[in-house]
Amino acid sequence: TQLLEQSPQFLSIQEGENLTVYCNSSSVFSSLQWYRQEPGEGPVLLVTVVTGGEVKKLKRLTFQFGDARKDSSLHITAAQPGDTGLYLCAGAGRQAGTALIFGKGTTLSVSS
Amino acid sequence: GAVVSQHPSWVICKSGTSVKIECRSLDFQATTMFWYRQFPKQSLMLMATSNEGSKATYEQGVEKDKFLINHASLTLSTLTVTSAHPEDSSFYICSVDGLAEARGTDTQYFGPGTRLTVL
Repeated sequence: TQLLEQSPQFLSIQEGENLTVYCNSSSVFSSLQWYRQEPGEGPVLLVTVVTGGEVKKLKRLTFQFGDARKDSSLHITAAQPGDTGLYLCAGAGRQAGTALIFGKGTTLSVSS
Repeated sequence: GAVVSQHPSWVICKSGTSVKIECRSLDFQATTMFWYRQFPKQSLMLMATSNEGSKATYEQGVEKDKFLINHASLTLSTLTVTSAHPEDSSFYICSVDGLAEARGTDTQYFGPGTRLTVL
């Protein structure tokens, strides 16, 4: 069974601080997605990483896929209150059309 | 990315009644849709995989006779919670497998969710 360990589970920081969220597994994923979810809404896709070692940037967010495609990180620079939300990583297995494996999520709270 | 809608966005019902939730893929045909359940501040729990024209595949521990899934067309999947009880109260979210749209990666696009409250 493939598992994704996501940490930390909760994070409360001040505006302007940097933070990193990690997703780790002993399994190889064909791709990995990061989502952000606000209360009462569905998850919104932030990025998909596919290639080992890949780095993608989305404004102040930097996503990295491990060389072995077993782990990923999300780094936020100079966090803002608008970054508050639940961040989810999800890995795709090798078989197309199968369900994603989700991490337990990281609840981020950024206060001004 | 794919646009996914859900209806209703919230519903309150009495214990023992049945509730149907619709999930629509608005801009592309989806052969595979997924249904999730989510509790407050927790991650998504996969309930079942809905395949167009065939029976849904349920995850272990999910009662198929209680959570009926129908995927009659490439743009619509429905989840019916039969004889709902207060413990069924939750946030239900569907997603569409955007395999074709995302050029070979299993990216999923989520609906906005349906808040079910059973009294």
